[in-house]
Amino acid sequence: ELKVEQNPLFLSMQEGKNYTIYCNYSTTSDRLYWYRQDPGKSLESLFVLLSNGAVKQEGRLMASLDTKARLSTLHITAAVHDLSATYFCAVVSAGGSQGNLIFGKGTKLSVKP
Amino acid sequence: NAGVTQTPKFRILKIGQSMTLQCAQDMNHNYMYWYRQDPGMGLKLIYYSVGAGITDKGEVPNGYNVSRSTTEDFPLRLELAAPSQTSVYFCASSYLQGYTFGSGTRLTVV
Repeated sequence: ELKVEQNPLFLSMQEGKNYTIYCNYSTTSDRLYWYRQDPGKSLESLFVLLSNGAVKQEGRLMASLDTKARLSTLHITAAVHDLSATYFCAVVSAGGSQGNLIFGKGTKLSVKP
Repeated sequence: NAGVTQTPKFRILKIGQSMTLQCAQDMNHNYMYWYRQDPGMGLKLIYYSVGAGITDKGEVPNGYNVSRSTTEDFPLRLELAAPSQTSVYFCASSYLQGYTFGSGTRLTVV
């Protein structure tokens, strides 16, 4: 059974600082996703990582994937208040049931001035 | 392009009542999903469908039923609402590597 673990679950940062969110998964996967969710809102797609060593960047966020370690990271550079949200990683298991996404519990990020 | 549309956005049910959460997509995606999100948690898969007439259980199917008579629609049925079903429900569809989520239905069972 595929399990996805994120850490930390809560993160309070100061503006301008850097930090990394980690996403570990338990079985082989060929796709990993990062989503952002604002309170009371739906999920906003951030990144799709499809292969070992994949790295994607958008603004102050950069995501990477190491399929051998079953680990993805979401790195935040010079955080700003607008990045405050909950971030989820989700994994599709290789050969898994019809592309079902298995989600981590999320990392609630709070960026303070 | 409307994407994935969920109705209603909010609903309060009494214990034992039944209701149907509606989900429609206009992207001609074959794959559709229902997830629930409990406070402070990630999303858990309830049911999924790979095409019209084909559905299967996810992680947490108990207390729910689905049907898929058309490609566009994937309703979720709660037959006997229980407080444990208080949650936010998201419908999603997918094509290749892309997933599109609806805006969610916030359900409270009292």
